[in-house]
Amino acid sequence: GAGVSQSPSNKVTEKGKDVELRCDPISGHTALYWYRQSLGQGLEFLIYFQGNSAPDKSGLPSDRFSAERTGGSVSTLTIQRTQQEDSAVYLCASSLEATAGFFGPGTRLTVL
Amino acid sequence: RKEVEQDPGPFNVPEGATVAFNCTYSNSASQSFFWYRQDCRKEPKLLMSVYSSGNEDGRFTAQLNRASQYISLLIRDSKLSDSATYLCVVNRGNNDMRFGAGTRLTVKP
Repeated sequence: GAGVSQSPSNKVTEKGKDVELRCDPISGHTALYWYRQSLGQGLEFLIYFQGNSAPDKSGLPSDRFSAERTGGSVSTLTIQRTQQEDSAVYLCASSLEATAGFFGPGTRLTVL
Repeated sequence: RKEVEQDPGPFNVPEGATVAFNCTYSNSASQSFFWYRQDCRKEPKLLMSVYSSGNEDGRFTAQLNRASQYISLLIRDSKLSDSATYLCVVNRGNNDMRFGAGTRLTVKP
């Protein structure tokens, strides 16, 4: 499709397990962002990739969180040893220089 | 202090009312600005860009004040369907966009 896609759409996991969330940005978009949103809360910035530059990881809440972007396209957000407070919707967005970003539908993560 | 700040609301207004939201940003080098709309349990979607000269799209007017580092969104003749969360977005340069936490609007009959 032409939009940002994310998988899985829903993920239920047990506390302590690792999870991987995937984002396929719009083709040609150089910037990719990960945000998370807890129920009823605003967007929380996690990480930002721009081309081949080093990513801005300043929003990652702990060292259990990591992300990579392979070949300047697909990105994977990994959460190790999940905790219940990690439960949220994880949103990915991509954009071109100076244009608005487009969001994917998100992955709803539930940690039991 | 957050880089992009918005009043979280909620703003509860009757149909037909005019409502305005402000958003302040701290990075004076910010280059472009946008308003997004997020419906409940949906992803944010672009509502409109904000241009230096101000711009209008139907009932929606966006303005930018670089000197005071804020942007605004004005909604005239509010409709029930305008109920949503409105997110302010600032492009810091190098295609690095940061979002405000959003302002919740409820339009009531």
